[in-house]
Amino acid sequence: QVALVQSGAEMTKPGASVKVSCKASGYTFTTYDINWFRQAPGQGLEWMGRISTNTGNTNYAQKFLGRLTLTTDTSTTTAYMEMTSLRFDDTALYFCARDVFIRSSWYPCDYWGQGTLVTVSS
Amino acid sequence: VLTQSPATLSLSPGERATLSCRASQSVRGTYLAWYQQKPGQAPRLLMHTASSRATDVPERFRGGGSGTDFTLTISRLEPEDFAVYYCQQYGRSQTFGQGTKVEIK
Repeated sequence: QVALVQSGAEMTKPGASVKVSCKASGYTFTTYDINWFRQAPGQGLEWMGRISTNTGNTNYAQKFLGRLTLTTDTSTTTAYMEMTSLRFDDTALYFCARDVFIRSSWYPCDYWGQGTLVTVSS
Repeated sequence: VLTQSPATLSLSPGERATLSCRASQSVRGTYLAWYQQKPGQAPRLLMHTASSRATDVPERFRGGGSGTDFTLTISRLEPEDFAVYYCQQYGRSQTFGQGTKVEIK
């Protein structure tokens, strides 16, 4: 069965970086893109960016340009999200999720990781 | 920008819930999805292309609308339906509404 399993919670300091992994299984990894989202405590969902697992091409939301890097390792079917220059307001639950563009149409994120809590604290 | 209303809906089990999502511009390709999220869990996809139910979603969930106005209707609320619901414009980039909380009255 399809599963996206994320790495464990992280606690880090302002100005530092964090790297979260998302291990995919149960499907052909390079058929689907991987998106990253975050959700601050008590807040809504925010899309951060996408990576094509087939080509490595990325598409970032404007507010994360320069601080966010998405990568994949097809040999281990794992996607990574790295964010630098962390601030207190980057404290959030971070999710990965897969979507796909197929037969000239987009299909939204149908499988999600369980979420990784990143806490930025001094 | 997607604007959801109401922010909170207080209803009893068995009642009908109607959630609204309004877009500031026409949603291209009707790429409008609805998600359900419960505390501490990842979102669950309910609807795509505005009115198509995702796999294993019960028939009591119905989506509709086009252009800039969309709705999610839950015909008869079950206890497990009390949650937060988000609409999402998806595709090359993605945005979410701020969510509607369906709570037990």
